Amino acid sequence: EAGVVQSPRYKIIEKKQPVAFWCNPISGHNTLYWYRQNLGQGPELLIRYENEEAVDDSQLPKDRFSAERLKGVDSTLKIQPAELGDSAVYLCASSFTSGRGFYEQYFGPGTRLTVT
Amino acid sequence: GQQVMQIPQYQHVQEGEDFTTYCNSSTTLSNIQWYKQRPGGHPVFLIQLVKSGEVKKQKRLTFQFGEAKKNSSLHITATQTTDVGTYFCAGVTQGGSEKLVFGKGTKLTVNP
Repeated sequence: EAGVVQSPRYKIIEKKQPVAFWCNPISGHNTLYWYRQNLGQGPELLIRYENEEAVDDSQLPKDRFSAERLKGVDSTLKIQPAELGDSAVYLCASSFTSGRGFYEQYFGPGTRLTVT
Repeated sequence: GQQVMQIPQYQHVQEGEDFTTYCNSSTTLSNIQWYKQRPGGHPVFLIQLVKSGEVKKQKRLTFQFGEAKKNSSLHITATQTTDVGTYFCAGVTQGGSEKLVFGKGTKLTVNP
């Protein structure tokens, strides 16, 4: 079974430039998460989708971050414009959720973003 | 906002010694998950605890959920070099809008 796929694995951009990350979850997983992980910290949830609906985007900085999961499968996270403080690893995770609650999450390898 | 505190931040042990990391929440949790992240890797799910006072074992790993569902611990018996990594707890808050909040993790290094 293929795991969560993310691309690109690494990205270096100058500040004020846009950047986009792509995630393809495990087949059949209806819930998709985007996290940001700073060095030495735990993952911080940015947005959670159940199918195509964003059920929790309370921690997404909406002035510069946007995300979509149009067909309830793969997802894109965008930053425009990027700032120096956005340098981090962006992790995508997926799970199969039945009803309320949180279930075992499978993480992708992440995209390491460096903003110069 | 909701916080999940983890201690210690770092732990260095000799191979064969035991290791414990503790997770504490300011509020009651619905459940708690534990993940392991190897250096340069991504978090990998270990276990989920749901019931008050629950204890689960996976070989040399023992997980506990406190009676008040505000704290949890992970204990590794007789550490091995393969146990190296950062261990994260992630607590699910109770209430209408459930949230999963990760602790900062405990980084374990094992000296062979």
